[in-house]
Amino acid sequence: AQTVTQSQPEMSVQEAETVTLSCTYDTSESNYYLFWYKQPPSRQMILVIRQEAYKQQNATENRFSVNFQKAAKSFSLKISDSQLGDTAMYFCAFMIQGGSEKLVFGKGTKLTVNP
Amino acid sequence: NAGVMQNPRHLVRRRGQEARLRCSPMKGHSHVYWYRQLPEEGLKFMVYLQKENIIDESGMPKERFSAEFPKEGPSILRIQQVVRGDSAAYFCASSPEATGALRAQYFGPGTRLLVL
Repeated sequence: AQTVTQSQPEMSVQEAETVTLSCTYDTSESNYYLFWYKQPPSRQMILVIRQEAYKQQNATENRFSVNFQKAAKSFSLKISDSQLGDTAMYFCAFMIQGGSEKLVFGKGTKLTVNP
Repeated sequence: NAGVMQNPRHLVRRRGQEARLRCSPMKGHSHVYWYRQLPEEGLKFMVYLQKENIIDESGMPKERFSAEFPKEGPSILRIQQVVRGDSAAYFCASSPEATGALRAQYFGPGTRLLVL
């Protein structure tokens, strides 16, 4: 069974600074996808960034980028120039390619951006 | 293009009653997924449906829970004889038809179920 571990229950960062959220996963599959979702206080789940495991290049979306280390089964999220609106729960998620398409989520990291 | 819609947003039921949660996928999306989020937890997969078919229900409790996605109308998650442990946020996600490529899932705002 696949598992996703987020070892940092809570983190904080000053506005305009950079923060990195950690995520590790366990799987015997070689083809899969990884995601970061954001859940602000409104509780809406918002897709932040995604990565295909077969791609060596790390995905980037504006201020959000990932450090994907396939051998280490690590998928960290870097948020640059943090903004107050980045305050949210961040969930790392995993999906097997070609499987039933269910997402397996970690327990989340609560990020607070301080002014 | 409207996003995934769920209603009601909040639902209060007494123990033993039925809860019916609705999900309208994004326009053009034919795949629907239901997830449950307990307090202080991540989301847990329940069921994956395509129009009129259940593809994977491995995460759904065997009793009291059922899901459908009819040819016309929204997907419905039904919980019969609710118990306090059913109190949670229930999220629906949808994805488009895209063979051979990643189908990203887009989530609705969730339904918060409270069982008294």
